[in-house]
Amino acid sequence: EAQVTQNPRYLITVTGKKLTVTCSQNMNHEYMSWYRQDPGLGLRQIYYSMNVEVTDKGDVPEGYKVSRKEKRNFPLILESPSPNQTSLYFCASSLIAGEETQYFGPGTRLLVL
Amino acid sequence: SQQGEEDPQALSIQEGENATMNCSYKTSINNLQWYRQNSGRGLVHLILIRSNEREKHSGRLRVTLDTSKKSSSLLITASRAADTASYFCATEGDSSYKLIFGSGTRLLVRP
Repeated sequence: EAQVTQNPRYLITVTGKKLTVTCSQNMNHEYMSWYRQDPGLGLRQIYYSMNVEVTDKGDVPEGYKVSRKEKRNFPLILESPSPNQTSLYFCASSLIAGEETQYFGPGTRLLVL
Repeated sequence: SQQGEEDPQALSIQEGENATMNCSYKTSINNLQWYRQNSGRGLVHLILIRSNEREKHSGRLRVTLDTSKKSSSLLITASRAADTASYFCATEGDSSYKLIFGSGTRLLVRP
């Protein structure tokens, strides 16, 4: 089944404790992206990747890192999480950037205390 | 920055009625997409309309695009309780690699 998976789905952590949210897609998509969703703000793009080893900042990249060592994986790293990073995070992928449908993962709900 | 803005923010209708949501955007686009999100879950792509298209249909969905007014509408006909969800429009940001979502319309379909 074609899908985007994220792990973990739920995470409670404390300020400053490094964490990684994994994202994997099995559709051989070139483009992958991370979003965060907050009430009243809709979805905002954090980082995106056009292909392996090619990443770039979205609208809200501060406090986040990403890597794209393999085509199928695009982990989101929070080196030192803070409470303002409490949010619902979505990974998405598409065959190519721009004019293609994006397929979304189920989301990761993160609470930073 | 938000490229797309949906209107209304919330909509409550009776099952069987039609639901219309609007999206306005600011800059020129190559295409516009509509997505649905059930509460707290991932977004699901509904339809993509290109800038040279004026109307597109998919099942009970009808999307229109007016590039002169920089606006799009999503019509759901004969609504069902299962259509209860948030609906988002999305357009490219300042590059085709960025997808910018509006803040969404919350649709409630009452049985």
